[in-house]
Parts: sequence; C-alpha cells; structure tokens
Amino acid sequence: QKEVEQDPGPLSVPEGAIVSLNCTYSNSAFQYFMWYRQYSRKGPELLMYTYSSGNKEDGRFTAQVDKSSKYISLFIRDSQPSDSATYLCAMSQIQGAQKLVFGQGTRLTINP
Amino acid sequence: EPEVTQTPSHQVTQMGQEVILRCVPISNHLYFYWYRQILGQKVEFLVSFYNNEISEKSEIFDDQFSVERPDGSNFTLKIRSTKLEDSAMYFCASRGDTGELFFGEGSRLTVL
Repeated sequence: QKEVEQDPGPLSVPEGAIVSLNCTYSNSAFQYFMWYRQYSRKGPELLMYTYSSGNKEDGRFTAQVDKSSKYISLFIRDSQPSDSATYLCAMSQIQGAQKLVFGQGTRLTINP
Repeated sequence: EPEVTQTPSHQVTQMGQEVILRCVPISNHLYFYWYRQILGQKVEFLVSFYNNEISEKSEIFDDQFSVERPDGSNFTLKIRSTKLEDSAMYFCASRGDTGELFFGEGSRLTVL
C-alpha cells in the first residue's frame, strides 16, 4: 500500500461549484497535514497547514483531517477558473525534520 | 512577501557533467530542503539541512549529491556526475518556526 494515495483526476467542474479533494494515507504516525497548489511548471504553493485531526478554514478553503480514518480533505467553495491547478496533499510525522510525503496530485479544472 | 528564489530556472547539461543548483531561502528561516519532481510523478524528498549539516536524506540522495550553505544566504545542491534519470524539476524549500514549508519556483534540469 502506498504511503499517501491521491486520485490524480483529472477533475473538471463548473465555476461556482464546491470542489472536494481527498487523500488517504497508511502511516498512522503522520501528524502534520498540508495542501499545496501547483500551477504547471511552478513550485508548490502552500494553501493549508493543519496539525492532527479537525477542521481549518481560510476564506473559500476548508481542510479536514480525520486521523481515525487516515483521510484528509480539501474543500473549495465558490470555485473560480483561477483555482484551476494541480492540488497536492502532503504530510509529515514530526515538525522538526519536516520530511514531507506527497500525494500524486489531483489536476483540477474549473470551467467558466 | 518573502519568497524562496532559485537559479537557474532551466539548465541543460550533458550526461556526466557537474551541475550546481542555487537557492536563496527566506531570510529568517533555519531549515532548508531539496525536493525533486520527475515529470508526471510525485514531489519527492531529497534532503533536509539544519545548523550547517544534513539532518535527513532519502535513498535518492546518494554520493553523487551534496548540499552546502557556503554563506549566510545561499543553499546549493550539487550533482557531481549527472545521469539521464536526474532530469527533473528540483525545488528548494525553507521553513521557519511556524512549521510551514515554502517552496521556490524550481530549477528544471535536463540531462542529455
């Protein structure tokens, strides 16, 4: 079983829709969970950073972590064409070394 | 807004040649990283660096790779004798006390 699994998509939705992106993981030692957005041939841009289980909201973005199910989600409300990108989940065991393990990335297109 | 900067943005080299990729991390950050992303694949951890020494490295980071912080601002990745399979985007990242990891735009390495 892969350490972090993420459906690569592609996922295509109309503008204004709510988007749900998900990752599952196998390593119960993961404590820190992140979502990055990556435009083509650019570096990952940090969107959300959460520790342990629970929800975190920032504007149109909500991150959820369910450690009991080893499942994390990113919701995007009122999606915009500018949200079209690849979304990467990433996680780490401890904050110090911060070796991140990434998912494959989900390619998202928001259609006007 | 502070950012991680990388040079060159693209380098083409012949197999067997040495390559140095350069990074300027965010100024008050103390933890530095190199990741790579082969086209179409996951972002993979290479090495983390703290207090002028490697704190963790992956299996990919073999004897052909080295990192250095030659002065107070630059952080470099050297590949001693490049192979075709080293062709990838190389991302530098830095982290401050908050635990959030910020990535540069990447250096695309093409080995012919």
